[in-house]
Amino acid sequence: EIVMTQSPATLSVSPGERATLSCRASQSVSSNLAWYQQKPGQAPRLLIYGASTRATGIPARFSGSGSGTEFTLTISSLQSEDFAVYYCQQYNNWLKLTFGGGTKVEIK
Amino acid sequence: QVTLRESGPALVKPTQTLTLTCTFSGFSLSTSGMCVSWVRQPPGKALEWLALIDWDDDKYYSTSLKTRLTISKDTSKNQVVLTMTNMDPVDTATYYCAGGYDGVWNYWGQGTLVTVSS
Repeated sequence: EIVMTQSPATLSVSPGERATLSCRASQSVSSNLAWYQQKPGQAPRLLIYGASTRATGIPARFSGSGSGTEFTLTISSLQSEDFAVYYCQQYNNWLKLTFGGGTKVEIK
Repeated sequence: QVTLRESGPALVKPTQTLTLTCTFSGFSLSTSGMCVSWVRQPPGKALEWLALIDWDDDKYYSTSLKTRLTISKDTSKNQVVLTMTNMDPVDTATYYCAGGYDGVWNYWGQGTLVTVSS
């Protein structure tokens, strides 16, 4: 089983500042890594797939990078609507698709 | 426009079998690369993938829950069904169905909360 570890668990950021979220895989997932955003009471929303490709309609302030076992989601200038929980998910191994534990981005 | 909607009981008793239906529109599960998954989320906790079925009727299950899960599809009805046997209070969660290509879930239902209690 591929374990996805996200850090930090909580990130306190002021509006307008940059946020950097990390996701580490216990073994290589190549670039088969997606990021999702989830707000309270809502379903997750796809932000990034292929480690760095923004999904349709996702603002350019969201960017993803990395490959293999280390991945990063960067939000260049946090807007009020970006405060949420973010999950990474590997889809390299369909026998065991796994999510990370999530990073909550909260207002500082 | 793609939509997915989960339906099923809001309350089940311990040891019972849960059956959830995902009804979707705006895509076909017979299209190459297309897949539908079930994902759950206990209150206040992280997302957990449960099962996936693809356009070719291949099925994949969470290792830890494999013995309790069955996923199936009815392409003519645009539905995917998940059954989970021997329900326990720890299975209380919001259950989502999600669709997309090659394991990437672009589309999600709104989720359905299932409570397991006697």
